[in-house]
Amino acid sequence: DGGITQSPKYLFRKEGQNVTLSCEQNLNHDAMYWYRQDPGQGLRLIYYSQIVNDFQKGDIAEGYSVSREKKESFPLTVTSAQKNPTAFYLCASSWGWRGNNNTEAFFGQGTRLTVV
Amino acid sequence: AQSVSQHNHHVILSEAASLELGCNYSYGGTVNLFWYVQYPGQHLQLLLKYFSGDPLVKGIKGFEAEFIKSKFSFNLRKPSVQWSDTAEYFCAVLSVSGGYNKLIFGAGTRLAVHP
Repeated sequence: DGGITQSPKYLFRKEGQNVTLSCEQNLNHDAMYWYRQDPGQGLRLIYYSQIVNDFQKGDIAEGYSVSREKKESFPLTVTSAQKNPTAFYLCASSWGWRGNNNTEAFFGQGTRLTVV
Repeated sequence: AQSVSQHNHHVILSEAASLELGCNYSYGGTVNLFWYVQYPGQHLQLLLKYFSGDPLVKGIKGFEAEFIKSKFSFNLRKPSVQWSDTAEYFCAVLSVSGGYNKLIFGAGTRLAVHP
């Protein structure tokens, strides 16, 4: 099946540890995104990437890092510098802007990270 | 910086009432506009999208939205809601700038429909 896979679904981390969230897509999409979803705040953009080996900071990038070594993979690392890491994290992918109507994003099921 | 504002954070309606959810964005360049829905316990799904052309777009489940460029708005409407429309609704804007496509979302509107 084509889609976006995020793993794990639930993740627990001790304070002070880095943790990496996985996101893989087999849709051959160029663009990939990471969001954080908190109640009442919607989806806030952490990082996004248009092509392999290139990515841009979103609105709340501090304390996070990403890589885009392969087109289908866009892992997110939540570092110990992130002050409030407990949240629901969503990964998405899309064709991006191609001058046509196929620009919507498709989402994974999310990873709920809890810092204990 | 680009932003998306959704005016209503919580909306409570009775079945068969009409719905309108407001969405405004701040970006003067090329945009694509979207409404997504998140039903309880499910992942985000696309309701409808605007790319170009007719500013009135129709989506799934009887939803529609109107793009008013002069007002930077993209309000979502449904003439008669059902209990099954209970969900959280997100407006999103894809902005195109310098070869980068930035997709940002509003804070969401929680809709509760009572039978």
